[in-house]
Amino acid sequence: EVQLVESGGGLVQPGGSLRLSCAASGFTFSGYEMNWVRQAPGKGLEWVSYISSSGSTIYYADSVKGRFTISRDNAKNSLSLQMNSLRAEDTAVYYCARAPTFYYDSSGYRIYYFDYWGQGTLVTVSS
Amino acid sequence: EIVLTQSPGTLSLSPGERATLSCRASQSVSSSYLAWYQQKPGQAPRLLIYGASSRATGIPDRFSGSGSGTDFTLTISRLEPEDFALYYCQQYGSSPITFGQGTRLEIK
Repeated sequence: EVQLVESGGGLVQPGGSLRLSCAASGFTFSGYEMNWVRQAPGKGLEWVSYISSSGSTIYYADSVKGRFTISRDNAKNSLSLQMNSLRAEDTAVYYCARAPTFYYDSSGYRIYYFDYWGQGTLVTVSS
Repeated sequence: EIVLTQSPGTLSLSPGERATLSCRASQSVSSSYLAWYQQKPGQAPRLLIYGASSRATGIPDRFSGSGSGTDFTLTISRLEPEDFALYYCQQYGSSPITFGQGTRLEIK
């Protein structure tokens, strides 16, 4: 059974940092693209970041570029998101999500959907 | 960026009825790369449909997806009590991938 378990959320002050983790099991982690997707309280879904199976290709949403860093450790079946310079608008539940495959759009960027999601971890940015 | 607009915002129906949810894109979605997800309160989203019309593993056949270009539809043929939830569409035809704002399916 595929399982994705996030951890590391909590309350942090504006300008602070937090590191999220996602522990994967039940599948060959090194063979899949992984992502972070967030959902602000009472709001819709927003893709945050993508990392390829090998870690060689990484994308970020414009809203977090330069502040967040995605990484993975295939030996430990683990995905991470380092979040710096946090803002109130970063308050959300953060989900790790697996992409079963990917395609290329007309600009050469990888595009994908999500077949499994973790239960999420809540990040609250407030003073 | 492709903007997805879902309608209606809220749909009130009774168990056993047919539900039709719409997702309209601001520009054509390449290769019908559109997915649908279901989300229940306090839970993670669950993949229902990908490629506009392919059911994900384990999804009952009362769920079906259709459409192409800019207009897509999720149909639930006969509503079961467990189907009342939030539904999101997502396009992956071009970067960045984007989600619709959601349709809430509630019990009438």
